[in-house]
Amino acid sequence: GAVVSQHPSWVICKSGTSVKIECRSLDFQATTMFWYRQFPKQSLMLMATSNEGSKATYEQGVEKDKFLINHASLTLSTLTVTSAHPEDSSFYICSADPPGNQPQHFGDGTRLSIL
Amino acid sequence: GESVGLHLPTLSVQEGDNSIINCAYSNSASDYFIWYKQESGKGPQFIIDIRSNMDKRQGQRVTVLLNKTVKHLSLQIAATQPGDSAVYFCAERTGGSYIPTFGRGTSLIVHP
Repeated sequence: GAVVSQHPSWVICKSGTSVKIECRSLDFQATTMFWYRQFPKQSLMLMATSNEGSKATYEQGVEKDKFLINHASLTLSTLTVTSAHPEDSSFYICSADPPGNQPQHFGDGTRLSIL
Repeated sequence: GESVGLHLPTLSVQEGDNSIINCAYSNSASDYFIWYKQESGKGPQFIIDIRSNMDKRQGQRVTVLLNKTVKHLSLQIAATQPGDSAVYFCAERTGGSYIPTFGRGTSLIVHP
């Protein structure tokens, strides 16, 4: 089945640090990937749509300069949280659409804690 | 019983009971619906889906029912097991959009 891998699974770093999260589709090519943010006991909130070879599409209220997205290949999208602060602490999850009109498959998320 | 917390409704059941998790959607143009299971600290896992031209679909121990008249979706889990404890999200998609809209989720707690 379609597998989406996310790395790292857990990051703790100091305020002001930039953190990069990788999302890979392991057995299929994905021209489009998605980045979500999830607060405790809440639903997933779409942050942006990552498009291979072009700029990402950000949802309203999401700072594109804060959350940099790069989708340089058909199997890899990265999310960089720049100059992270404690309010950026959250669970970040990526997903991708496998071919053949299947539902989205999700990575296992990255727990980001900014001290 | 079922209770509504500050953010996430909770359903508590005994092991072996059947569970029913409900979801209301708002967009009458939605034509594809998905149920996801999210265990603590993990990403959502696909459970079952249904298209709008159907009203029922069955999988292994799970059944999804769709009532388009009242815009309601339910997930039935038969013989619920402790391993079913998780948060369950419904999601809807519309037309050619890739992007699902997620419901608020329901926390299922299965007591041994």
